[in-house]
Amino acid sequence: AQSVTQPDIHITVSEGASLELRCNYSYGATPYLFWYVQSPGQGLQLLLKYFSGDTLVQGIKGFEAEFKRSQSSFNLRKPSVHWSDAAEYFCAVGAMDSSYKLIFGSGTRLLVRP
Amino acid sequence: GAVVSQHPSWVICKSGTSVKIECRSLDFQATTMFWYRQFPKQSLMLMATSNEGSKATYEQGVEKDKFLINHASLTLSTLTVTSAHPEDSSFYICSAPPRLAGYNEQFFGPGTRLTVL
Repeated sequence: AQSVTQPDIHITVSEGASLELRCNYSYGATPYLFWYVQSPGQGLQLLLKYFSGDTLVQGIKGFEAEFKRSQSSFNLRKPSVHWSDAAEYFCAVGAMDSSYKLIFGSGTRLLVRP
Repeated sequence: GAVVSQHPSWVICKSGTSVKIECRSLDFQATTMFWYRQFPKQSLMLMATSNEGSKATYEQGVEKDKFLINHASLTLSTLTVTSAHPEDSSFYICSAPPRLAGYNEQFFGPGTRLTVL
């Protein structure tokens, strides 16, 4: 069965430091992969997505993610974190049955130290 | 980008009453919409798939008689929580992939916070 694992529940980084949020997936074929961000009490905003092609994907707000098939990973990175990046981050994989369903990881809460 | 709205953004109701939540795609058509439930500090759990012109498809463990879904048009899906109880208090989020856009992207509504007293 498809699944998404985000092993880090919380991550705290200092403002200006680099960030990497981990995401591992279980999938039988080339997956559709997404990273979303959710601010408190808000809906989800798409940061970036991977369908095919270049394995390094650029997104909004200075985020990027790299698809590594050999490691079944799609980690999110940002070279310099801003205080406004504090939020909940969700990795998701698209269901392989063409239903357009998304399967979400458990999320990682990012805290930013001044 | 495409916009999905939800109404109301928050609602408080008494136990035993029913609450309707609307999800609208404002500038695109969606034959499919999804309803998620999110408990505090937890991930989104898919409740059901709303299909325009046909019955909704519910995920395992979701009571279809309690969470009534109607996809009345290509831009509107409604979720009715019937006979709500405090354990139904949650954040409900809908999403929609634009029709004919393939797997390009899903757009999420801002969510509806339901509190049942």
